[in-house]
Amino acid sequence: GAVVSQHPSRVICKSGTSVKIECRSLDFQATTMFWYRQFPKQSLMLMATSNEGSKATYEQGVEKDKFLINHASLTLSTLTVTSAHPEDSSFYICSANEGLTDTQYFGPGTRLTVL
Amino acid sequence: AQSVTQPDIHITVSEGASLELRCNYSYGATPYLFWYVQSPGQGLQLLLKYFSGDTLVQGIKGFEAEFKRSQSSFNLRKPSVHWSDAAEYFCAVVHRGGAGNKLTFGGGTRVLVKP
Repeated sequence: GAVVSQHPSRVICKSGTSVKIECRSLDFQATTMFWYRQFPKQSLMLMATSNEGSKATYEQGVEKDKFLINHASLTLSTLTVTSAHPEDSSFYICSANEGLTDTQYFGPGTRLTVL
Repeated sequence: AQSVTQPDIHITVSEGASLELRCNYSYGATPYLFWYVQSPGQGLQLLLKYFSGDTLVQGIKGFEAEFKRSQSSFNLRKPSVHWSDAAEYFCAVVHRGGAGNKLTFGGGTRVLVKP
């Protein structure tokens, strides 16, 4: 149990375009999901907390207009990188908080490359 | 604010030998502590967690961890390492309350396994 999926697993896009990444909790409902960014050989950096039915809470320094988060249902959160730039290239990982166990379960990550 | 320190950036261990990864935390209240493992290009997998009760917790893949309040530590151990244990290991503490249960991660320890 407690499986989280992400789609796509990797994506390549051109500068200036937008990319949407989906995060789904497959066998549990998650009122709270989280989006992280990970640079090579580094730890995870929390970008934002996604709350079902309300606005996301962004960490300091994360541009909310650039990284749009939507949590429209209890099993799906999306991260849209708008007007992508090469410096947005990174590994993006989501997690979903399983409420009964108070435990975050992570998706497999999405490798974004912006050309 | 809470923080997590993993003093060892890299550890190299021979296959079959024992492994211990150190984790120290700074947190005002009783912490919720986690160990996650990340294989290259993958998301994070939960190894084990401590919320309360028995301070020695068993996890998956033969791992265990011991919570020591007096030392503010939550070290991860495995008696006999397998080549498949080569990965990055992250210790984390949860910040309860506010917007969901945000995790604070340590910097990670990369484990290399020699044949």
